[in-house]
Amino acid sequence: SQQGEEDPQALSIQEGENATMNCSYKTSINNLQWYRQNSGRGLVHLILIRSNEREKHSGRLRVTLDTSKKSSSLLITASRAADTASYFCATLNTGTASKLTFGTGTRLQVTL
Amino acid sequence: DVKVTQSSRYLVKRTGEKVFLECVQDMDHENMFWYRQDPGLGLRLIYFSYDVKMKEKGDIPEGYSVSREKKERFSLILESASTNQTSMYLCASSPNTGYDTEAFFGQGTRLTVV
Repeated sequence: SQQGEEDPQALSIQEGENATMNCSYKTSINNLQWYRQNSGRGLVHLILIRSNEREKHSGRLRVTLDTSKKSSSLLITASRAADTASYFCATLNTGTASKLTFGTGTRLQVTL
Repeated sequence: DVKVTQSSRYLVKRTGEKVFLECVQDMDHENMFWYRQDPGLGLRLIYFSYDVKMKEKGDIPEGYSVSREKKERFSLILESASTNQTSMYLCASSPNTGYDTEAFFGQGTRLTVV
């Protein structure tokens, strides 16, 4: 399996703090994407970063990509209780058409 | 908005039954996927289809088959359900417009095999 891993598995922070999640993967990629999943629901796309990009921003989200280390991080700034969810990275691996390979996910709990 | 609809949110089936999970998307996407999600294992790809009647095995196809007779519909079939197939099943679709496309997910079907 080419599945990646995320770190930490679970993260608990207080509202207003920043949350950082890390993702490692195993093969060369075309892009890396982050998805969010509210409890027991489907996944929603958050942000995509191409293999030739190093950093990308979208609102309170900041994603970095280091292809030499095969790793990415997702930073959520000024977190809110509504950010409580599971977060998954997914890679579009080179030579695998449109198939996304997902990581194991980080469960984020933001408390008031 | 893209909508991916899975036919059931919750399903309880008996061991040995043939089970059909249906997924429909309304955005004319070429690609459709079935994933299985288990705690600590993330999402694992079962099958993938990039066109009508075309299918490709994912990482864990054993015990499953798929059918795509129409572009908007992708069915996952458990030929003889077993308790180790108790899981959350997620359907997704994406357009075939290059690499920088996102996947759109259905709400998931939580299947329990007893």
